[in-house]
Formats: sequence, structure tokens, C-alpha cells
Amino acid sequence: GQSLEQPSEVTAVEGAIVQINCTYQTSGFYGLSWYQQHDGGAPTFLSYNALDGLEETGRFSSFLSRSDSYGYLLLQELQMKDSASYFCAVYSAYSGAGSYQLTFGKGTKLSVIP
Amino acid sequence: EAGVTQSPTHLIKTRGQQVTLRCSPISGHTSVYWYQQALGLGLQFLLWYDEGEERNRGNFPPRFSGRQFPNYSSELNVNALELEDSALYLCASSLAKRTGGSGEQYFGPGTRLTVT
Repeated sequence: GQSLEQPSEVTAVEGAIVQINCTYQTSGFYGLSWYQQHDGGAPTFLSYNALDGLEETGRFSSFLSRSDSYGYLLLQELQMKDSASYFCAVYSAYSGAGSYQLTFGKGTKLSVIP
Repeated sequence: EAGVTQSPTHLIKTRGQQVTLRCSPISGHTSVYWYQQALGLGLQFLLWYDEGEERNRGNFPPRFSGRQFPNYSSELNVNALELEDSALYLCASSLAKRTGGSGEQYFGPGTRLTVT
């Protein structure tokens, strides 16, 4: 089966840096995605890593190590509006040829405090 | 560019009834995915449609079904509603790349279903 582990809650101060870790167990791994979801809102795509290394998009960066089955989302210069839930999701092959699935972790609730 | 749209926004049904939820993907996207998000929980994959065909389904009973139309819009049908079906139902779309599907999906606002 597939499993993802990420912390349930993280609290950080405005202006600081926070790292949200994600470890996974899956077969047929293709890549790791990150999504942001504000309370009452829809998930918003943040990043997708298919290869090892760090990818930066503005204040957000995402890292993947395929050999360690591990990734993280790094948020810099935290702002109050970054308070939200962050989900890692594994994109992997499912049973059957040409069948794929995005499996989400349970999410990390980030609270940014003044 | 218009995003993914879903209808209705909210729905209240009673146990045993049937419901149909609708989704229109982003223009040019051929893949549509359905997810269930129960209160306080993560997203559970339901169904994936691409080019009018069901490509994959999650671990849900057969009373959850759907279809995709030639214009790539999609419906999710839930029969014999149960109390635990109360959740936010999210639709997402993506470009189906050569290998099919994508880890980059764009979500609609969801339909909040309450079963009483």
C-alpha cells in the first residue's frame, strides 16, 4: 500500500522560515506534490518534484530525495496569509497499465503568529 | 482563464437518496479527478477520468460512480446515500501528459454535501 507521514501541526512566527517534512512509502513512485488549502477553500497546487533536489518558486521551495523517500516544503519570510493546511501528495503508478493516482497525506496545519 | 467550476455549491440530502455533482475542467484539460474530503481529514481519491474513460478509481464502493462527457466535463453520482458520505467533494483537472495524468492538478471550489 501507500502511506505518507507529515506533522499534523506547525506554528511559526511571521517573517521566519518553516520546513514541513513528508516521508512516504509507495511503489511506482513518479513524483511528490505540495498543495495549500485555506480553511473553507479548495487545495491550490504549489509544486511538483519528479527529480531529486530543490525547486524554488518565490518564497516557497520544495525538496525531494527519492532514495530517502523524503521531501519537504520550505516557506520563507512567513506571512499571516500563509496560515493554512499543507498537503504532500505522492503521484504514483496504480494497479494496471496506464493507471496513476495522486495520494494525499493528512495535511499539516500551519499557524503563523505575529 | 476560468478555473475549475463545480455545481452545486451546497447540497442537503437524506439517507438513501441519490445525488449528482457536476464539474467543468479548465479549458484544454482532458483529465478530471474526484476527491472526497471529510471534515478535518485529508483528500481521498475517488475517480479519474480522461478522454471520456474511467482510468482509475479509489477504494470506494460501487455506489460512487461517474462519467466524463465529450466536452471533458464530468459528473459524480452517489447512490443510496449514507450519513458518512457527508463531506466536501472536490473536482480537479489537469493536462493529461503523454504518460497520463499529472501530479499537478487544479481544484474547483467543491460541493459541500450534507446527508441527514
